[in-house]
Amino acid sequence: AQSVTQPDIHITVSEGASLELRCNYSYGATPYLFWYVQSPGQGLQLLLKYFSGDTLVQGIKGFEAEFKRSQSSFNLRKPSVHWSDAAEYFCAFLTGGGNKLTFGTGTQLKVEL
Amino acid sequence: DTGVSQNPRHKITKRGQNVTFRCDPISEHNRLYWYRQTLGQGPEFLTYFQNEAQLEKSRLLSDRFSAERPKGSFSTLEIQRTEQGDSAMYLCASSLGLAAISTDTQYFGPGTRLTVL
Repeated sequence: AQSVTQPDIHITVSEGASLELRCNYSYGATPYLFWYVQSPGQGLQLLLKYFSGDTLVQGIKGFEAEFKRSQSSFNLRKPSVHWSDAAEYFCAFLTGGGNKLTFGTGTQLKVEL
Repeated sequence: DTGVSQNPRHKITKRGQNVTFRCDPISEHNRLYWYRQTLGQGPEFLTYFQNEAQLEKSRLLSDRFSAERPKGSFSTLEIQRTEQGDSAMYLCASSLGLAAISTDTQYFGPGTRLTVL
């Protein structure tokens, strides 16, 4: 079955520390992968996306993600977390011929000052 | 570009009542999507439109749900005879609908939170 798994429901990091959020996918071909962030009262905002080419993708707000085909992973990273990064993060991929996103269950990030 | 807007932002209703939500996509976006997000879960696809045509519906979309996009602009999602299990955040997204899906990003609205008592 096509699915996205985010193993960590909650993660807490100190401000200034590095961050890695995990995402694993199950899909029959090379997927189109996305990371979105959702803050309270806000819509989902696209951080970055991967379709092909360079497996290290740069996004907004200093985030990056690396596609690893051998591990079926697309982990999100940030070298130094800011308090404003506290939010829920969703990994997703395109299915249905590119017509719909399939999301993971999300990882809630808490940043300690 | 004013973004995707959704109204109302919150709706509280009693079981058995009908509710309707509205989504205004980014202008010139041909595709419009509806997703549902329940507590502790990621958004789940419900349906999408290419212009005014509804091209796909999820099995999640029971016959109590109906979506329209007249004239290919705004869209409405109606739920008839609401049930407590319908309580969720209903998200709308839009995209240009480009043939090259690698460049066709979905932009999301803030959602409508429905509470069914």
